[in-house]
Amino acid sequence: QSVLTQPPSASGTPGQKITISCSGSSSNIGSYTVNWYQHFPGTAPKLLMYSNDQRPSGVPDRFSGSKSGTSASLAISGLQSEDEADYFCAGWDDSLNGVVFGGGTKLTVL
Amino acid sequence: EVQLVESGGDLVQPGRSLRLSCATSGFIFDDYAMHWVRQPPGKGLEWVSGINWNSGSTAYADSVKGRFTISRDNAKNSLSLQMNSLRTEDTAFYYCAKDIATGIDASFDVWGQGTMVTVSS
Repeated sequence: QSVLTQPPSASGTPGQKITISCSGSSSNIGSYTVNWYQHFPGTAPKLLMYSNDQRPSGVPDRFSGSKSGTSASLAISGLQSEDEADYFCAGWDDSLNGVVFGGGTKLTVL
Repeated sequence: EVQLVESGGDLVQPGRSLRLSCATSGFIFDDYAMHWVRQPPGKGLEWVSGINWNSGSTAYADSVKGRFTISRDNAKNSLSLQMNSLRTEDTAFYYCAKDIATGIDASFDVWGQGTMVTVSS
């Protein structure tokens, strides 16, 4: 069981907007920022969002992040077929004194 | 170009040891914390360990604490992971990752391609 909880799957059609949630607790999301990673199987993961809502250079503005209380969300608007990947949230956890990942959400573009 | 290249992955028997290395280039190595993250077959990402810029602070996942040791050589721009008392559940693809900060954080902006560790008798 992952410390951060994500839905195992999400889906949408091209052009649609989808949201992936990441739920935690006061010892992680409630106290620290959240980061999101995009992972295509067989390749290195990619930092998609850091500090809740900051996009690294090169990440399209179709991707946006937010945080409220002990939950965070990643939104993808104008969904494209190339967005089909696994998405992971991550952050620091005070109780564990380490980094924790969500279980991952597999996004399917129908 | 920023590059991280892992090496050292292998097939080993339970209880044995293995040392992973990560050679880096293209950035000022001692300006950033570094981490190891793994992905077991068919499962999600799992953070293993992190080390701050000057080795003054290290952190480990509970699952590897006491068995794994992370270290870095700033003169050689390299990161290592000494893995002892390996268990079958340590079987995974191991990634080296660069933090965006000097201290241990959860923002990994550069990743290597990974190296496979298989623990099996």
